[in-house]
Amino acid sequence: SQKIEQNSEALNIQEGKTATLTCNYTNYSPAYLQWYRQDPGRGPVFLLLIRENEKEKRKERLKVTFDTTLKQSLFHITASQPADSATYLCALTMDSNYQLIWGAGTKLIIKP
Amino acid sequence: DADVTQTPRNRITKTGKRIMLECSQTKGHDRMYWYRQDPGLGLRLIYYSFDVKDINKGEISDGYSVSRQAQAKFSLSLESAIPNQTALYFCATSDPTSGISSYNEQFFGPGTRLTVL
Repeated sequence: SQKIEQNSEALNIQEGKTATLTCNYTNYSPAYLQWYRQDPGRGPVFLLLIRENEKEKRKERLKVTFDTTLKQSLFHITASQPADSATYLCALTMDSNYQLIWGAGTKLIIKP
Repeated sequence: DADVTQTPRNRITKTGKRIMLECSQTKGHDRMYWYRQDPGLGLRLIYYSFDVKDINKGEISDGYSVSRQAQAKFSLSLESAIPNQTALYFCATSDPTSGISSYNEQFFGPGTRLTVL
């Protein structure tokens, strides 16, 4: 069956450290993978998009990697801050349609 | 002002009632989407619309209907609400002309929390 998996347990990270979140998928061949941030009571907000032929994408303190062989994307936040605390969602887009297929998200908690 | 707005923000209703959730956007985007979010599950697509004359079913359209009244407005209706439709509902938009065709980012409204008793 097709699945997108993100760690359902909250990730606790000390301020200043690098936070790494994982998105694994099975039986999909995505053309693109996106990461979003969602705060409580708010809609998701787009962060980064990476294409299947890209290995890595960076934006300020954020870095995303995409390994189509491992069927995995890693999302890194360097020099993490308490304000980075949120739930982070990954979403896949297949080449054959325009829909996003979403993971359930991982809650990140940055402790001062 | 918010680019994507949803009304109401919260709604409690009873089984069997007809409910309409409304979404408006000022982003000028042609594409609009309705999702529901349940704890522990990813966002699931209910319906999507690529322009005023185009409506498509998503993954979980049963029990729902939509209306695209204008480019800026996309409404979701629950014809006869049932308790398992209790969820957080999001409207989103996207712009296929913003650089990478159909796969670009989506912009979300603040959500409507719906409870069906």
